[in-house]
Amino acid sequence: NAGVTQTPKFQVLKTGQSMTLQCAQDMNHEYMSWYRQDPGMGLRLIHYSVGAGITDQGEVPNGYNVSRSTTEDFPLRLLSAAPSQTSVYFCASSSDRGVYGYTFGSGTRLTVV
Amino acid sequence: AQSVTQLDSHVSVSEGTPVLLRCNYSSSYSPSLFWYVQHPNKGLQLLLKYTSAATLVKGINGFEAEFKKSETSFHLTKPSAHMSDAAEYFCVVSKPGGGSNYKLTFGKGTLLTVNP
Repeated sequence: NAGVTQTPKFQVLKTGQSMTLQCAQDMNHEYMSWYRQDPGMGLRLIHYSVGAGITDQGEVPNGYNVSRSTTEDFPLRLLSAAPSQTSVYFCASSSDRGVYGYTFGSGTRLTVV
Repeated sequence: AQSVTQLDSHVSVSEGTPVLLRCNYSSSYSPSLFWYVQHPNKGLQLLLKYTSAATLVKGINGFEAEFKKSETSFHLTKPSAHMSDAAEYFCVVSKPGGGSNYKLTFGKGTLLTVNP
């Protein structure tokens, strides 16, 4: 089925380790975003991209990097994991500048110990 | 700046009774508004969206919401709750961001419990 695919679904990291959360969409959407979800906080924007080669920071970008070399892929890199980055991460994409909403992936549950 | 406030963190109803989930927003211009639903350990699914067309918006699974500009509200309703409606619901406002990207601002969520 077409949509947004996130891998892995679950991950446990040790403090200081690095890793990349993968996100891919097959809908030819220009706009992609990463959010983190924490209890009682809703979802908060980490980074977003308006097209290949263009990225920008969201509300909570510290400790994360992104790149957008293709339209399909938008990986999120944790440079040096910290316990405060324990969260559920969602990738989302949109074809219409987000005016009509985004399609979300199923999430990656990350625990940093 | 824009914000969205979900007035109840938890709503509990009996199966077959009406559902009301309340959302107020603040925005300096006419926003796009959405309701998303998240079932346990699942991703977010779009229920419905308001984008300056009809003020009464119908969504999936019998849900609807009414945009009231004078009250800055976008409450979600359903006439009769079903057990499968138990989930967390997010009210979301969208505004233009950098590079004409419409950024989403999420409310903190309302957990809906449906009792048999």
